Amino acid sequence: DTGVSQDPRHKITKRGQNVTFRCDPISEHNRLYWYRQTLGQGPEFLTYFQNEAQLEKSRLLSDRFSAERPKGSFSTLEIQRTEQGDSAMYLCASSYYRAGANVLTFGAGSRLTVL
Amino acid sequence: AQKITQTQPGMFVQEKEAVTLDCTYDTSDPSYGLFWYKQPSSGEMIFLIYQGSYDQQNATEGRYSLNFQKARKSANLVISASQLGDSAMYFCAFRGYSTLTFGKGTMLLVSP
Repeated sequence: DTGVSQDPRHKITKRGQNVTFRCDPISEHNRLYWYRQTLGQGPEFLTYFQNEAQLEKSRLLSDRFSAERPKGSFSTLEIQRTEQGDSAMYLCASSYYRAGANVLTFGAGSRLTVL
Repeated sequence: AQKITQTQPGMFVQEKEAVTLDCTYDTSDPSYGLFWYKQPSSGEMIFLIYQGSYDQQNATEGRYSLNFQKARKSANLVISASQLGDSAMYFCAFRGYSTLTFGKGTMLLVSP
């Protein structure tokens, strides 16, 4: 297992188009997280799953954003009708939940540019 | 809601010197965890060190140590013997019951 994989690494799209990002977590990890990071800021939480259940969503996740983890393995994050403000790095992370550290392992991110 | 603050936008240090990156937090949660991550220019977030709120001793991982002062609500990262490869953004993060909340980060530049 080589870690958390994200695809695509870079996406350039025109305003109004839909985009989808995919995340493949570390196989034994049962939690999967999506974060968004804009230039000069720390990552901001969007949502997370435990297995296939989406347990928490940030108010940053507007109705144009939808995330799924259909079989508790990979996850997709779709943005509909993209806006220029959606330009950011979208980070996926996974962890194996246990009491204590619950360290998140991050992927390299998917950078979105909306023109 | 938890709040996490990194007051140093940037820090400079010479190679082989030690450097301390500041982090303070605000919470009413009785149990929580504090993390530090490194983000080099390649963009990937790399886990460095973890401190649990009930841990009696400060965490250490190689050249990294976490100076945890619970009463002051601070969790500063100390990097000993800085290396050129330490140049990166460093993020402090807080975990309460579920999600990880990040600070705005500190850019560390290590000079020869």
